[in-house]
Parts: sequence; C-alpha cells; structure tokens
Amino acid sequence: GDSVTQMEGPVTLSEEAFLTINCTYTATGYPSLFWYVQYPGEGLQLLLKATKADDKGSNKGFEATYRKETTSFHLEKGSVQVSDSAVYFCALSVGNTGNQFYFGTGTSLTVIP
Amino acid sequence: GAGVSQSPRYKVTKRGQDVALRCDPISGHVSLYWYRQALGQGPEFLTYFNYEAQQDKSGLPNDRFSAERPEGSISTLTIQRTEQRDSAMYRCASSLVGQGEQFFGPGTRLTVL
Repeated sequence: GDSVTQMEGPVTLSEEAFLTINCTYTATGYPSLFWYVQYPGEGLQLLLKATKADDKGSNKGFEATYRKETTSFHLEKGSVQVSDSAVYFCALSVGNTGNQFYFGTGTSLTVIP
Repeated sequence: GAGVSQSPRYKVTKRGQDVALRCDPISGHVSLYWYRQALGQGPEFLTYFNYEAQQDKSGLPNDRFSAERPEGSISTLTIQRTEQRDSAMYRCASSLVGQGEQFFGPGTRLTVL
C-alpha cells in the first residue's frame, strides 16, 4: 500500500551544520509530497511541498526535490539554526482527489548552539 | 477564526465512558480530516469529510469510533466505551480543496484511565 518511510531520529546538530532528513515513499499513483514541521508545543505546519516529479519545494531555507526515479523526497538545509529544533514529518497524498494522506513517523531535530 | 481550533485541549476520562471531541475548521474550508497520533509516531488517518459528507472512514479503528459534520463546518469525533488503548493525541485538519495544504489544529490529548 501507500506509505512513507523517513529517517529515524533523534538528530542532533550544531548550529550552522548541514541537515539532511531522508524520506522515501511507496505509492500506486502519482502522489503529492509534503514536509510538515511540529515545533514544541504547537500543531503541525506545512513546511514545503511538491506536486510532481522533479519539482523542488522550498521554504525558510529548507529544500526538498521530488525524485520519482528514487522515490525520494529528502529534506535539506544548508545551515541550521537553534530555532529549527522541531519534529519533521514527511507525508504524501494520493487518490483521485488527493484526500488520502500518509505521514511518516517523524524525525526529531535538536540544534545546539 | 484565525486557524483550526479543537476542544477540549485535554480530556481525561475513565474506561467505559463516552467522549466527544470537537473540531472547528477554518471558515470556508471544504475538507476536514481527523487523525490520531500516538507518542513518537506520525498522524494516522481516521476519516475525512467534504462539506457534510463523510467521504472515507476506512481509518476508524472499530465501530466505537464515529464522526459527523452535520452542517459542513464543525465536526465531532465520538468515541464510545473508551478503552485505555484509545489514549492518544487526536488531531483535526482542514483544507480548501482535497489536494491543498492541510491546516492542523492543536489537537486534543485524550487520556483514558
């Protein structure tokens, strides 16, 4: 069935380090792909998305490219900040109306000064 | 309202009691989703509505769980005869159209003693 597998955490980085969180997916159709972020004590927020192959989503210095050939949507940021500490969820939507959403298990990121 | 709201934010109940969780979506949003999130996991789809019609309830774990959205706005997720395994964060999300960004509420933390 449709699913998302993402890199297990927790991840701890020093400020200004490079971040990669891996995400791969399995889908029968042509999914849209998302990264959501959950800051401490808050709800999930959309970070970025890509709706078709080779699209690149970007926001707040984060980027992810929809790679159909490797069924991946890895999240990257060149220089992380303490304020990026959060849990990151990879997700996909499928179905005729795109209403069926599947989330990964989440990757906790802690950035230390 | 500015965002999706859920009430109560915290609910503690005794095993065997019924609970009703409320979601108030962003005004004008067509689609409304319910998820359950266990600690350390990603959101797990339960059900969704377009307007007042329940489009997919395949994620509801059993017949103790039900949801309604009678006027196409506020939705209620009801759990009858609660069990300890029902303890989790219950999240609601809404979107303008099926493939659009989902906006999440803060969640209701349910604890069944």
